[in-house]
Amino acid sequence: QSVLTQPPSASGTPGQRVTISCSGSTSNIGSNTVNWYQQLPGTAPKLLISSDNQRPSGVPDRFSGSKSATSASLAISGLQSDDEGDYYCEAWDDRLMRPVFGGGTKVAVL
Amino acid sequence: QVQLLESGPGLVKPSQTLSLTCTVSGGSINSVGYKWSWIRHLPGKGLEWIGYISYSGTTDYNPPLRSRFTISGDTSKNQFSLKLASVTAADTAVYYCARRVVGASRRFDYWGQGTLVTVSS
Repeated sequence: QSVLTQPPSASGTPGQRVTISCSGSTSNIGSNTVNWYQQLPGTAPKLLISSDNQRPSGVPDRFSGSKSATSASLAISGLQSDDEGDYYCEAWDDRLMRPVFGGGTKVAVL
Repeated sequence: QVQLLESGPGLVKPSQTLSLTCTVSGGSINSVGYKWSWIRHLPGKGLEWIGYISYSGTTDYNPPLRSRFTISGDTSKNQFSLKLASVTAADTAVYYCARRVVGASRRFDYWGQGTLVTVSS
């Protein structure tokens, strides 16, 4: 059971916008920044969004992050077949005193 | 560009000790501001943070796992290692090493490719 809650799957057709939610609590998302990681098939996780909404160098602006209270979201606009993979949210938890992850969301491009 | 590469046995027998090493290139494990981490992905479950060793050599672990895991560093080889005692089938997972940026914008900014460890007799 992951501390952060994500839907197990999301899907869309090429060009569509897909949004993935990440729900937490006051001890994690509510008081710390959220990061998002992308794991494409057969590859290592890659930092996609940091500090709620910052894109590391090289990440396309099709990816965006937002946060409100104890929930965060990752949006993928202009969905492409290359975006198929797993997406994880992560935040520091002040009560557990460790980083915590969501269970991951598998994105499929139909 | 920082790169991390895990190495170690892919198959371990139950009750044995698992040893994994992460070799870092393009950056030093002595660099201030980073913690060198181990994370695992259990089959059918999400990612689980195991622990990390800081640039100063201090360690911290996920409390439920603390008693079984040991993380150490070798600055001369720019490597850090993970040992897990008394493995069981429940420890079968993909193990990743990653660099953790400390501070207000803490995040795992670089990851290794991961190594699959299977516990089986």
